[in-house]
Amino acid sequence: GIQVEQSPPDLILQEGANSTLRCNFSDSVNNLQWFHQNPWGQLINLFYIPSGTKQNGRLSATTVATERYSLLYISSSQTTDSGVYFCAVRLGDMRFGAGTRLTVKP
Amino acid sequence: GAVVSQHPSWVICKSGTSVKIECRSLDFQATTMFWYRQFPKQSLMLMATSNEGSKATYEQGVEKDKFLINHASLTLSTLTVTSAHPEDSSFYICSASPRTNTGELFFGEGSRLTVL
Repeated sequence: GIQVEQSPPDLILQEGANSTLRCNFSDSVNNLQWFHQNPWGQLINLFYIPSGTKQNGRLSATTVATERYSLLYISSSQTTDSGVYFCAVRLGDMRFGAGTRLTVKP
Repeated sequence: GAVVSQHPSWVICKSGTSVKIECRSLDFQATTMFWYRQFPKQSLMLMATSNEGSKATYEQGVEKDKFLINHASLTLSTLTVTSAHPEDSSFYICSASPRTNTGELFFGEGSRLTVL
């Protein structure tokens, strides 16, 4: 099956800093999504981005499907950005990476 | 976007009992729904693919007789954990898409199961 690798596994930032999270996947996919899981477990859908670049406020994402990777950029990080960020890819069913645990300190 | 709702949000049960979790697509029809399980500090692992009107497809290592899935309509799939044990305690999340095989997946709020 498709392998999804996320890096880094853990990231600690000072409030206001910028960060880049990476997602590599092993095969061509129909869909890629980025999620933020809040402390209650709910998955917040950040981006549906099978290819190209999208931006939403302080967040943006880029997927280069031909090279099988996606990047999530967080600018001017805030403490509320803390949590786990998952990349997931879909070819029929959807498979998740192991996640990046982000901690933003005040 | 499309809305997927799960119920209950959390449930506590005694060992040996069965628990049913419902997953509903509120504003679209879903021929396929997916069930995931997440243990603490881990990622989401696909348990099974639920197909409307047919048997579910289970991932390797998931006991189909223990995790019964019923997809009786285009808007409802249920997961029943039979004879639950403490090791079944986990966070269960369902997802669905208005389109098969491709497209954005929408996730329910999740159901946290604790087996005493």
